Amino acid sequence: DQQVKQNSPSLSVQEGRISILNCDYTNSMFDYFLWYKKYPAEGPTFLISISSIKDKNEDGRFTVFLNKSAKHLSLHIVPSQPGDSAVYFCAASWSTGNTPLVFGKGTRLSVIA
Amino acid sequence: GAVVSQHPSRVICKSGTSVKIECRSLDFQATTMFWYRQFPKQSLMLMATSNEGSKATYEQGVEKDKFLINHASLTLSTLTVTSAHPEDSSFYICSARASRSGNTIYFGEGSWLTVV
Repeated sequence: DQQVKQNSPSLSVQEGRISILNCDYTNSMFDYFLWYKKYPAEGPTFLISISSIKDKNEDGRFTVFLNKSAKHLSLHIVPSQPGDSAVYFCAASWSTGNTPLVFGKGTRLSVIA
Repeated sequence: GAVVSQHPSRVICKSGTSVKIECRSLDFQATTMFWYRQFPKQSLMLMATSNEGSKATYEQGVEKDKFLINHASLTLSTLTVTSAHPEDSSFYICSARASRSGNTIYFGEGSWLTVV
């Protein structure tokens, strides 16, 4: 039972354009969401997070949008750069207590120069 | 920002031997650390939750006698793969929550284990 779903295994975007990565979740108890970037054989690198009390969080080129009613979040990267090419994981958690993250399967983003 | 460090980054061992992987929180204390495993082109799967000073909590299907976890201090958790088999070859990643960083969970660099 996949609680966090990233339905697009891959995405190709031209340099300078916007990349939009999507994520859906099923557990309404999740209240904290994160995006990680990962290169092969390396640990995930934290990008940006959002609490369920917000619907948008922005950090430089990265913006995360949360739609609680649809149980959907998305990561926007603009403008996309070749260095953004990596696998992006969406993760969800409960913000209280020491609970682990539940990950989606990841989306491989390729930014083409 | 918070940093989590793993060691070794890569290790090759013979079947039947044991391998220890260390996970350290470098600039914060972590009462809880999490161990994940990732197979090629798959998501990160939680193996166990490591609790300082107490027994680890293992996810369903993870053999506690095979994957020994010790969280002896607030900055160090270790994962020991005992009697390793080739099917244990995988990428193991630890993480810890840094409460002073808005509860963000940071990951170590990962440890690539190859059992031959």
